[in-house]
Amino acid sequence: GDSVTQMEGPVTLSEEAFLTINCTYTATGYPSLFWYVQYPGEGLQLLLKATKADDKGSNKGFEATYRKETTSFHLEKGSVQVSDSAVYFCALSPYSGAGSYQLTFGKGTKLSVIP
Amino acid sequence: GAVVSQHPSRVICKSGTSVKIECRSLDFQATTMFWYRQFPKQSLMLMATSNEGSKATYEQGVEKDKFLINHASLTLSTLTVTSAHPEDSSFYICSARASGYDGYTFGSGTRLTVV
Repeated sequence: GDSVTQMEGPVTLSEEAFLTINCTYTATGYPSLFWYVQYPGEGLQLLLKATKADDKGSNKGFEATYRKETTSFHLEKGSVQVSDSAVYFCALSPYSGAGSYQLTFGKGTKLSVIP
Repeated sequence: GAVVSQHPSRVICKSGTSVKIECRSLDFQATTMFWYRQFPKQSLMLMATSNEGSKATYEQGVEKDKFLINHASLTLSTLTVTSAHPEDSSFYICSARASGYDGYTFGSGTRLTVV
């Protein structure tokens, strides 16, 4: 079945450092890929997504590129802020488009940014 | 944007009692609702998928008589944990999807503690 593997945390960075959180996936066909962020005590919020190979999702300074050849969707940000401290989840949906397909999540990576 | 309101955010109950968690879509019609469970430092595990007006489809290993899901309207889905036990203590999150909409909207989660 489908699966998502992301780097285990916690990750601790100083403010303005470069962030990379690795994510690789296993799926048949052409899945959609997502990054969600969960702030303390809150639910998940969509951070960015990509629906086909070579697409780049971006939002709030975060980027991730859908790499089909390496089955990866690594999350990057050039300069993190304290407010970026949260848990980040990589996820996939088996198909693109507007259907009711379940998401498969990675285990999450906790990021702590210190001043 | 789409908002899902989940209540309660925290609940403590005695072993053997039942607890109901509600998820309401505030500004869209949620044709499909997903219920997830999140253990500490673990990813979100899909428990069940429900479509409005139909019986929920449970994932393997999830007891449907223990975790009762009702999706009677397009704006409300409920999860009832019956005869709760300490091992049911967890973080429960709902996610809604609207027909024709390529996105998932998450509730803010419910922290259940069974004592």
